[in-house]
Amino acid sequence: GDSVTQMEGPVTLSEEAFLTINCTYTATGYPSLFWYVQYPGEGLQLLLKATKADDKGSNKGFEATYRKETTSFHLEKGSVQVSDSAVYFCALRGGGSNYKLTFGKGTLLTVNP
Amino acid sequence: DSGVTQTPKHLITATGQRVTLRCSPRSGDLSVYWYQQSLDQGLQFLIQYYNGEERAKGNILERFSAQQFPDLHSELNLSSLELGDSALYFCASSAQPVGDTQYFGPGTRLTVL
Repeated sequence: GDSVTQMEGPVTLSEEAFLTINCTYTATGYPSLFWYVQYPGEGLQLLLKATKADDKGSNKGFEATYRKETTSFHLEKGSVQVSDSAVYFCALRGGGSNYKLTFGKGTLLTVNP
Repeated sequence: DSGVTQTPKHLITATGQRVTLRCSPRSGDLSVYWYQQSLDQGLQFLIQYYNGEERAKGNILERFSAQQFPDLHSELNLSSLELGDSALYFCASSAQPVGDTQYFGPGTRLTVL
């Protein structure tokens, strides 16, 4: 079945550091890929998405590129801020008539001033 | 704010009891999904409704049931509660039943004592 593996946290960075959170997936067909963010005490917010190979999703300075050859969708940001501290979830929705999201376990990011 | 609302925000109850969680989807969305987030299992899909009809089931226990009403709000009923049912329960909605971005509510935190 579908699965998502993302790097174990927690990740602790200083403000303005470069961020990478790795995400790889296993899926049949042609999945759509997502990054969701969960701020403390809040629900999941869609951060970015990509629906086909080589698509780049971007939002709020975050980027991720759908790499079919390496089955990856790594999240990057060039300069993190304290306000980026949150839990980040990589997720996929399988291709075809699939409906549900399959999530990775989440990566806690803490950014220190 | 995703436009998806969930009530209550917190719920504390005892083992063996029954509770109802409520979700109102974004305006115009016909599809509602329920997910459970727990420390050991992560985020897991429970069930999907589309325009009042059950569309898909995931890892939902027989003690749990859901429904979607004509006004499109949905309720998740959890009965014979066990300690292990303590979790965050998220509702998400989308316009289409398949292949559409899901927007999440803030969640209901259930604590079973």
